[in-house]
Amino acid sequence: AAGVIQSPRHLIKEKRETATLKCYPIPRHDTVYWYQQGPGQDPQFLISFYEKMQSDKGSIPDRFSAQQFSDYHSELNMSSLELGDSALYFCASTGSAKNIQYFGAGTRLSVL
Amino acid sequence: SQQGEEDPQALSIQEGENATMNCSYKTSINNLQWYRQNSGRGLVHLILIRSNEREKHSGRLRVTLDTSKKSSSLLITASRAADTASYFCATVSGPLNKFYFGSGTKLNVKP
Repeated sequence: AAGVIQSPRHLIKEKRETATLKCYPIPRHDTVYWYQQGPGQDPQFLISFYEKMQSDKGSIPDRFSAQQFSDYHSELNMSSLELGDSALYFCASTGSAKNIQYFGAGTRLSVL
Repeated sequence: SQQGEEDPQALSIQEGENATMNCSYKTSINNLQWYRQNSGRGLVHLILIRSNEREKHSGRLRVTLDTSKKSSSLLITASRAADTASYFCATVSGPLNKFYFGSGTKLNVKP
């Protein structure tokens, strides 16, 4: 069965650069969630989208923005990267019942 | 906040022993779920228990829910080294099924 696809798997950036992370949800899933997990930390909810509209917002910095497109894939845009942005970024999707979140393998971002 | 809190934060046991992790939360829920995360990987859904259920089993997993105490426990029986991972509870609440993840328990099963 198709799972949540995230790209790239690994990304290395310099301070002050920008990064774009992509997430392709499970087919027919309409809701996408983004999480940030720092080294040794728990996943922190950033933002979610339902039917291409922002549905909830967590601890997402103003330097980050995200959107969901007509094909339901989502992109997380990160600007003015800081060393502290180095983390695993996970995307999850749910179907219409929104009962279970299915997670992608994550994008490991390293900011040097 | 609704955030689930888990204890213990870390648990180290021998293979074959049982592992019990607890989760507490603050407000009413639609359901509670447990997820597993291997180091550096995505979270994987393990089991869901609805608010009107008290106990649920799946293989070596047993989950209990006490809505009066706003707590849940995950029991892994006959643990294996491959069970080594972090385990998170997540509460789902409200009409929009909003998710809240707990702080996680890091389980180490020694062979």
